[in-house]
Amino acid sequence: SYVLTQPPSVSVAPGKTARITCGGNNVGSKTVHWYQQRPGQAPVLIIYYDGDRPSEIPERFSGSNSGNTATLTITRVEAGDEADFYCQVWDSSSDHWVFGGGTKLTVL
Amino acid sequence: VQLEESGGGLVQPGRSLRLSCAASGFTFDDYAMNWVRQVPGKGLEWVSGISWNSGTIRYADSVKGRFTISRDNAKKTLYLQMNSLRPGDTALYYCTKGQGATILHSAFDIWGQGTMATVSS
Repeated sequence: SYVLTQPPSVSVAPGKTARITCGGNNVGSKTVHWYQQRPGQAPVLIIYYDGDRPSEIPERFSGSNSGNTATLTITRVEAGDEADFYCQVWDSSSDHWVFGGGTKLTVL
Repeated sequence: VQLEESGGGLVQPGRSLRLSCAASGFTFDDYAMNWVRQVPGKGLEWVSGISWNSGTIRYADSVKGRFTISRDNAKKTLYLQMNSLRPGDTALYYCTKGQGATILHSAFDIWGQGTMATVSS
């Protein structure tokens, strides 16, 4: 089955840029979605189809996808961005949705 | 736009639970729906998905043959019948709305708050 690999944790200082990666075999040929889950809350869709953003999500959040790595980029990081982030793809070979293991973003 | 899950609880191994998800604020029968579960403190696991007209249904390998997803478009409700439950099925179960009518590719743009299912003797 298809596997998405995320770093368990990423730390960044306020105002800096955070990059969270999502690795998978030729993931660039798939469409990647990203979710943010704050403590005690349900996940929220923040990026879909690699780089599109729901209207309510700040422009500071962006996504890219190429080769074997998809990347979620958060610019001008704020304390309120602290959360777990998950990438997701549809695996057509198994007809299953697959989530990455999640990355905990810590704002220093 | 809202999804509200119900039906969770404590159940013994081998028994059954039926989860429900009531939808409001959108045209329910235009969209695919999915169930996603999360063990507290752990990551997200997709469980099952159903297309707008129930014509396409898929299950994670971990639940195939034990769980059944269904929907009643007239009642705007999604269901998950969970049979032969195991301790490993203990999790918070989220109901999610797809961005499109089919299960494939479209992201989950609305999530409920989840209902907790605990399987223990």
